[in-house]
Parts: sequence; structure tokens; C-alpha cells
Amino acid sequence: AQKVTQAQTEISVVEKEDVTLDCVYETRDTTYYLFWYKQPPSGELVFLIRRNSFDEQNEISGRYSWNFQKSTSSFNFTITASQVVDSAVYFCALSEAGAGNNRKLIWGLGTSLAVNP
Amino acid sequence: ETGVTQTPRHLVMGMTNKKSLKCEQHLGHNAMYWYKQSAKKPLELMFVYNFKEQTENNSVPSRFSPECPNSSHLFLHLHTLQPEDSALYLCASSQDPDSGHSRFDEQYFGPGTRLTVT
Repeated sequence: AQKVTQAQTEISVVEKEDVTLDCVYETRDTTYYLFWYKQPPSGELVFLIRRNSFDEQNEISGRYSWNFQKSTSSFNFTITASQVVDSAVYFCALSEAGAGNNRKLIWGLGTSLAVNP
Repeated sequence: ETGVTQTPRHLVMGMTNKKSLKCEQHLGHNAMYWYKQSAKKPLELMFVYNFKEQTENNSVPSRFSPECPNSSHLFLHLHTLQPEDSALYLCASSQDPDSGHSRFDEQYFGPGTRLTVT
């Protein structure tokens, strides 16, 4: 069965610290997609990244970076030099490649990140 | 114009009321979704529409009734709700899965409607 686990329920850091949010997934498929979304206090989920299972290269976008390791079924997200505006709930999700509209996103429970001044 | 808008942002209703949630997307997408977000639970997919046709209904109680008059608008009609239906209801849109677009599972969300049933 597909499953996404975000073991860290809440993380609290001080501004400028680096922080890593963990995501571990389970799937039987060899082709799948992984996502990270951010949900600030305003409520809307903001798309951050989509990564397919055949691309294990790490990705960096500004202060954000993602480490995808198939060997450990993990897709971890690191924020470097965190800022107060990074405070939000972060969700990891999994989508399996399949026929058309039967492809769903399987969501983790989210990690609530608080960045304190 | 924000990509996906939802109204109202907050709604308090009694169990005997009838109300509707509205979602509008300005992204040119053809697939729209309703999700329910409750505390301590994963995001729950409720309904999916592709090109105005409902393609998914995840055993949602009939007191929730979706309507998709066109590919830009999605409604969720509510009637005789229960207190446990109190949650954040999120709307999302994406490219149509059958369009051949490779990123159709990249969903864009609205800000949600915070619903409280009293």
C-alpha cells in the first residue's frame, strides 16, 4: 500500500538555523512522483516541488533543497538559513504513475515548522 | 488574480442549514478537486471533476453535494451537516489527467473555507 510518513509533527528553530524536514514513503510502483507543499497560516497549500522516481539528483532552489534517496525511500527537504516567513506546515505527498484520473496524491500528516526570531 | 479562489473563507452553520462553498480557478485547468482537511488527519480527497464530469467520489456522505457547471467553477453544496464535518475545505485544480500533459498531478490550491458546524 502507498503511504507517506512525516515523523516530525512539530519543529521549532531559531531564525538563520538550517532545518531538515523528513519524508519517508512506501510504494510498490517503480514509477511515481513525490511532492512538497507548504501551507502557511493563510491556509492555501503552495506547491514547492515535484520529483519523478527516475531523477535522483538533488535539487536546490534558493534556500530550499531536496534530497531524494530511493535506497531509503526518502525525500527530505532542507531549508537553509531559515526565516520567520518559513513558518508553516509542510506536506510531503506521493503520486503513482497510472492510468489517467485514477492517479491520486497520497499525503503525509505534515510537519509544523515554527521559525522564531 | 489569484490562481484559485474560494468563498466564503469562513462559515458557521447549524446542522439544519443549507449552504454552498464556491471555488473558481483562473489557471486554465480542466480538473478540479475538493479536499477535506481535519486536524491530525491526512488530507482527504472528496471529489474530482475532469472537464465538468465527476470522476471520483471517495465514499463521501450525501450531505455533501458537488457541482461543476464549467471547468473554472466548482461548488460544494452542504445540507444537514454534522459537527464532525467541521474542517477546512480546500479546492484545487490541475491540468486534466487525460490531456497528455505530463504535470497533471501538480495541483494548485485555494485558501480554503474554514467550516464550523454547530
